[in-house]
Amino acid sequence: NAGVTQTPKFQVLKTGQSMTLQCAQDMNHEYMSWYRQDPGMGLRLIHYSVGAGITDQGEVPNGYNVSRSTTEDFPLRLLSAAPSQTSVYFCASSYAGRSYEQYFGPGTRLTVT
Amino acid sequence: AQKITQTQPGMFVQEKEAVTLDCTYDTSDPSYGLFWYKQPSSGEMIFLIYQGSYDQQNATEGRYSLNFQKARKSANLVISASQLGDSAMYFCAMREGDGYGGSQGNLIFGKGTKLSVKP
Repeated sequence: NAGVTQTPKFQVLKTGQSMTLQCAQDMNHEYMSWYRQDPGMGLRLIHYSVGAGITDQGEVPNGYNVSRSTTEDFPLRLLSAAPSQTSVYFCASSYAGRSYEQYFGPGTRLTVT
Repeated sequence: AQKITQTQPGMFVQEKEAVTLDCTYDTSDPSYGLFWYKQPSSGEMIFLIYQGSYDQQNATEGRYSLNFQKARKSANLVISASQLGDSAMYFCAMREGDGYGGSQGNLIFGKGTKLSVKP
């Protein structure tokens, strides 16, 4: 099992550019989510999905889009990058159910100049 | 109001000693789960331990144990016999409800505690 994979690991964008962060999992998890981590802020939820074709907003969704066409993939799109989106982005997945831990990808460090 | 509060931004512990990292939570849902994650300087998130709201006993996983005080809404992580490799950020997180459907799958994170182990 590869677990949760994310690409790229690092990315530098100019303000106004768009890009897609890729996330895939091979554990057949129903639940997938995207977080951003900023210094002193912990992890904040951007978007999540409870299954293919179902997505919803988290705490900080503005400026991001997601889709979930398959169980395995959950890409995060930055529509028009802004310096405020400079952050480390984590994708996570888990089985549904209270006791199941979320498995995290290695993260993508994004810098917007 | 914050749902997960970690009041210790940073802590130091001597190698081989035990350390307690504090976590308090706020929920009105009788069903919830509490998690601790470790984030070393390399950046990955590592799951450590889980405690369910209905669990009668405190969770333990090797050198990690969770001091669960339901009435006080606290879920402190205890690391016994600290090692240099324990130096990392530690995050407490909560999942409300049974975890099925909608936002019940979401984890709510605290802001973390940076633990430094001194040789």
